[in-house]
Amino acid sequence: QQQVKQSPQSLIVQKGGIPIINCAYENTAFDYFPWYQQFPGKGPALLIAIRPDVSEKKEGRFTISFNKSAKQFSLHIMDSQPGDSATYFCAASEDFGNEKLTFGTGTRLTIIP
Amino acid sequence: DTAVSQTPKYLVTQMGNDKSIKCEQNLGHDTMYWYKQDSKKFLKIMFSYNNKELIINETVPNRFSPKSPDKAHLNLHINSLELGDSAVYFCASSLRQGNTEAFFGQGTRLTVV
Repeated sequence: QQQVKQSPQSLIVQKGGIPIINCAYENTAFDYFPWYQQFPGKGPALLIAIRPDVSEKKEGRFTISFNKSAKQFSLHIMDSQPGDSATYFCAASEDFGNEKLTFGTGTRLTIIP
Repeated sequence: DTAVSQTPKYLVTQMGNDKSIKCEQNLGHDTMYWYKQDSKKFLKIMFSYNNKELIINETVPNRFSPKSPDKAHLNLHINSLELGDSAVYFCASSLRQGNTEAFFGQGTRLTVV
């Protein structure tokens, strides 16, 4: 039972392009939506997170768009660089008192020069 | 300086053996976790401890036994290892129960032969 569905599985974008990774969820009790970035041989690291009271959050070149009615959220990377090549995971958790993160299946992003 | 450190980084062992993975965090966090990442990169929580107390125990075989001697340490002991246990195991911590930003260790790649 996959509670957070992530697509695409892999993505290749030219340097400077804007990769977009999408996630959809079913559990309406989810109210915290982080994105994690994982480089080969390393653990995931928090990149950016959003709560459903806003529709967009931007940190540097990374933007989360959130559509509560559609139960979807997405990550956009502006002016992508080869150093952004990594696996990206969306995740969700139910409430501020429940620390259990449910992860998406991951997107392997490759930025080519 | 490593915030969440786990040892060993690699572990190759035969079926039926018992092995342990150690995890320590120096962030002063109250909550620690074990996650399993399978060959398809899917990340799933196994256990969560808050101040040495078990909070989350997902559907994990009882061959897996976490032990938290103090809130800075959460070790994972696995009995009677099976081929299907081969995966990367990540330890993580967060400031407190309910704070869902998790800091991950570098992972332990377990290979059962």
